[in-house]
Amino acid sequence: DQQVKQNSPSLSVQEGRISILNCDYTNSMFDYFLWYKKYPAEGPTFLISISSIKDKNEDGRFTVFLNKSAKHLSLHIVPSQPGDSAVYFCAASPGGGSNYKLTFGKGTLLTVNP
Amino acid sequence: DGGITQSPKYLFRKEGQNVTLSCEQNLNHDAMYWYRQDPGQGLRLIYYSQIVNDFQKGDIAEGYSVSREKKESFPLTVTSAQKNPTAFYLCASSTRQDQQFFGPGTRLTVL
Repeated sequence: DQQVKQNSPSLSVQEGRISILNCDYTNSMFDYFLWYKKYPAEGPTFLISISSIKDKNEDGRFTVFLNKSAKHLSLHIVPSQPGDSAVYFCAASPGGGSNYKLTFGKGTLLTVNP
Repeated sequence: DGGITQSPKYLFRKEGQNVTLSCEQNLNHDAMYWYRQDPGQGLRLIYYSQIVNDFQKGDIAEGYSVSREKKESFPLTVTSAQKNPTAFYLCASSTRQDQQFFGPGTRLTVL
C-alpha cells in the first residue's frame, strides 16, 4: 500500500511559468514533509520541508503548501527555469521526533522547456 | 568538505556473488540509511541505523545485510539471496531532527 503518492509521473512547463507538483498521503501519523530533487545517476538533494503545524513554507522560488485535512501537499516553483528539470520526490515522516524513516513517493519528472 | 561518499560509482558482479557497497559520512550524523531506486520507482528503504551497533530492517531488507561498527560507516552487503540486485543504491544520513543527506549513489549491475 503506497502511503505517499505522486500521481503525475511527468510534468512539462515553459520557462518562466509556474510548476506545480502534487503529493498525497494516506498515513495520518505523518507530520513532517520534504521535497527532494534528483538528477539522473546522482543522489537526491533536499529542497524544502514543512511541518504539519504550518500550511505554507517558502524558500526563494520554491513554496510548499500543506493541506492536512485533504492529506495533500504541493510544491510550487516560480519562475521555472531549465535547470529545474529533474525528478522531484515527495517524502513524509511520522511525528514524535522520530524523523528516522522517510517514506517516498515515486517521483515526478519535471521538464522545463526554454 | 563534509559529506557522504559512496564507492564505487559503478559496480559489476556475477550472479551468485556477494558484494559490499561502501558508505562513509563525516557529518557526525547519528542515523544512516540505505535505499534502493529502480526505474519508475521511488526510494525504498533497505536498512537504517539510528546509532552505532544498532540497525533495523526497512521495507525491503530480504537479501541484504548491514553493519554499523563505526558512526561514520554503514556498509551494505548485497547477498546472493537478493533476487533482483541490479539497481541504483543510495546511502543517506541525518541527525535526529533533520532532513536526510544523500550520497552520490552506486549503480550495481549483476551480470
